Amino acid sequence: DSGVTQTPKHLITATGQRVTLRCSPRSGDLSVYWYQQSLDQGLQFLIQYYNGEERAKGNILERFSAQQFPDLHSELNLSSLELGDSALYFCASSGDGYRGYGYTFGSGTRLTVV
Amino acid sequence: GIQVEQSPPDLILQEGANSTLRCNFSDSVNNLQWFHQNPWGQLINLFYIPSGTKQNGRLSATTVATERYSLLYISSSQTTDSGVYFCAVEQDSGAGSYQLTFGKGTKLSVIP
Repeated sequence: DSGVTQTPKHLITATGQRVTLRCSPRSGDLSVYWYQQSLDQGLQFLIQYYNGEERAKGNILERFSAQQFPDLHSELNLSSLELGDSALYFCASSGDGYRGYGYTFGSGTRLTVV
Repeated sequence: GIQVEQSPPDLILQEGANSTLRCNFSDSVNNLQWFHQNPWGQLINLFYIPSGTKQNGRLSATTVATERYSLLYISSSQTTDSGVYFCAVEQDSGAGSYQLTFGKGTKLSVIP
């Protein structure tokens, strides 16, 4: 157990639908990151939150949004889903200040859009 | 943006053999990590190694930041070492914003 918890582990949904992925960071970590892994694009950074505030944005589509709540858990919302959104979505967390452990990744949510 | 290149893309080893995986990056970085993605898709953090050498059992890693490369050594490989090995580098985008950029990975298959 890495300490980063992601739910659900698997999700199957239809095109046009909206889903929410949830992440609880490792205890004490203030930063949460979302990554997408697809066969054609590899592992890509989507967005970073730090203590509730958006800090960095990567290749995140406008149909996707995220937030981090006061208890530091984060949610990634994917809407108007398309077949191409099928991917493995990872959440990661890291600490503030001393970063000697780097990033810790959750086990991912496998999204299948049919 | 920064480029991260890993080699070789694919590697097949007989159980017990040793191997070296390489990661080259195109710009200075804050940090570098090696991950193992197992067949179930989990990303396991192997090393956090912005510079120097670290060892953990049969695995060791060396990063030469001034020359912009890192090496991951696997000795006495086992079938459980199979999977994809990713190198990822972190850059500081300023104001406390960070992101990891991943290479495309090396797919390792260890056969009995």
